[in-house]
Amino acid sequence: DGGITQSPKYLFRKEGQNVTLSCEQNLNHDAMYWYRQDPGQGLRLIYYSQIVNDFQKGDIAEGYSVSREKKESFPLTVTSAQKNPTAFYLCASSIGTYYQPQHFGDGTRLSIL
Amino acid sequence: SQQGEEDPQALSIQEGENATMNCSYKTSINNLQWYRQNSGRGLVHLILIRSNEREKHSGRLRVTLDTSKKSSSLLITASRAADTASYFCATDASGNTGKLIFGQGTTLQVKP
Repeated sequence: DGGITQSPKYLFRKEGQNVTLSCEQNLNHDAMYWYRQDPGQGLRLIYYSQIVNDFQKGDIAEGYSVSREKKESFPLTVTSAQKNPTAFYLCASSIGTYYQPQHFGDGTRLSIL
Repeated sequence: SQQGEEDPQALSIQEGENATMNCSYKTSINNLQWYRQNSGRGLVHLILIRSNEREKHSGRLRVTLDTSKKSSSLLITASRAADTASYFCATDASGNTGKLIFGQGTTLQVKP
């Protein structure tokens, strides 16, 4: 079945540590996105990529980094510069960026130790 | 900042009743989308309505869009316990690069 796989489901970060969240899709979608969701809140866009080897900052990119070396993969690194990383992180993809629904993975919950 | 503001923030109804959720937004849009999120899961796309459309149906779902009032509503008819979830509107603003801006959501509880 086609879909988006996020791993791990739960992740713990120590102070000063970088952690990487995985997002893989087999939908052959060009566009991929990373969102952050805080309790009781909507989604905020961290980074997005419309095509391989290209990505743009979203609304809250500070303290995060991404890469898009393969069409199916869009990993997110939460760096030590992100002072409040505890949140639910969601990855999504879409065929293109215009007039297209987004398909979501089941998220990674990141907590601080 | 959030483009979409949803109302109510929480809604509790009995199974079989209808549920209506509203979304207001600030700027011109290309389209508006509704998503559902079950607790601890990712979002699932429900309906996309374009700015030149006024109403759209999908099964028990009915979405309306009033661009003059910058508002949309999602109606779920004959609700079921399985409809219990959070519902989000997301706008694709005109002139944007296809990025979606999500509202804060309405939490719906359907009691059996």
